[in-house]
Amino acid sequence: GENVEQHPSTLSVQEGDSAVIKCTYSDSASNYFPWYKQELGKGPQLIIDIRSNVGEKKDQRIAVTLNKTAKHFSLHITETQPEDSAVYFCAASLNFNKFYFGSGTKLNVKP
Amino acid sequence: DGGITQSPKYLFRKEGQNVTLSCEQNLNHDAMYWYRQDPGQGLRLIYYSQIVNDFQKGDIAEGYSVSREKKESFPLTVTSAQKNPTAFYLCATSRLGANYGYTFGSGTRLTVV
Repeated sequence: GENVEQHPSTLSVQEGDSAVIKCTYSDSASNYFPWYKQELGKGPQLIIDIRSNVGEKKDQRIAVTLNKTAKHFSLHITETQPEDSAVYFCAASLNFNKFYFGSGTKLNVKP
Repeated sequence: DGGITQSPKYLFRKEGQNVTLSCEQNLNHDAMYWYRQDPGQGLRLIYYSQIVNDFQKGDIAEGYSVSREKKESFPLTVTSAQKNPTAFYLCATSRLGANYGYTFGSGTRLTVV
């Protein structure tokens, strides 16, 4: 089955700096890669996604890049703010919406 | 408002007891999923269902059971056979096909006492 690895497990940045979280996947057939943000005690919320026919996607301060050849994709957050502090999960979808998740990255943005 | 309702938010279970976690949705989504979340391990799939009266095991189904009698409901029973049930349980839904993303509920934290 699919295996998704996520790094780093924790990330601490100063407010205003950029943050980058990286994921790799094992199955070249995966074609949909969402990113979720989870705040303490809540369920994850989709923040951005990318499909395999696109190399990059941006939404305001958030961007995702995908390298299909290397089988890795990354989340970039620019101009970080304290409210960006949360746990972020990447995922890869093989078929029928069955997602495989990374182990999560705890992002701490220091004011 | 459309959404997913998980109840209860907190649940305490004595060893040897079965407990049932509720997941109800009014999004008219076909697929429903149960995930377990443990610290540092991300989300692991327990069971999923793409249609009423049908469901499939995920990666960690042992000690759990589900039913899908209605499109709106997908309850999860944690049985006494589950060796380490203390965890945060998340229900999710999605439309089928074309890789639509999940919508998650707010979760149930189960603690064995």
